[in-house]
Amino acid sequence: DTAVSQTPKYLVTQMGNDKSIKCEQNLGHDTMYWYKQDSKKFLKIMFSYNNKELIINETVPNRFSPKSPDKAHLNLHINSLELGDSAVYFCASSQELAGGRELFFGEGSRLTVL
Amino acid sequence: AQSVTQLGSHVSVSEGALVLLRCNYSSSVPPYLFWYVQYPNQGLQLLLKYTSAATLVKGINGFEAEFKKSETSFHLTKPSAHMSDAAEYFCAVSQNSGYSTLTFGKGTMLLVSP
Repeated sequence: DTAVSQTPKYLVTQMGNDKSIKCEQNLGHDTMYWYKQDSKKFLKIMFSYNNKELIINETVPNRFSPKSPDKAHLNLHINSLELGDSAVYFCASSQELAGGRELFFGEGSRLTVL
Repeated sequence: AQSVTQLGSHVSVSEGALVLLRCNYSSSVPPYLFWYVQYPNQGLQLLLKYTSAATLVKGINGFEAEFKKSETSFHLTKPSAHMSDAAEYFCAVSQNSGYSTLTFGKGTMLLVSP
């Protein structure tokens, strides 16, 4: 059973389109995250949710809208896709939003914007 | 504020040789420090973490790291490299106060030759 699962694994789309990535964790964790990994492998936090509440939004454009229907799910919707949005998006979860907690990562969703 | 610097974007070793991946951190409060490994087309997996207990931390797959406050370092070592160790390695820091997320370094690709 996969602990943190993301779908789809690959998306290829045109500029200007809208796309969504779904994430689910079955670890019973309270906190979920979205990270973006660029072409140079640099990982940057985008959002963090704790018990369905948005805690951290790291100056991500408004075109990115996370939604957490319950604490096991955190989806990412992206409007009006741009070339610079091409990246691998990782969902992760942790038991709580406290500094020493291990993050469990999904396998990533590779988004290619043409 | 917190940050991590990983020296060397690529490190090459021969199978059986010592692995040393360098990480220096900056944190205004006592840090938590982590090493994660990413195999190709996969998510990140925790190797080990320092959370203010023992300064020498042992992790999975024979890796260990030593926290040195005076040098603000948390270098990762393994006595003898295996081919299966070839991967991207990320050092990360979070803070021991309030809500704190992981800030990652830029990663070091470990290449292992026969």
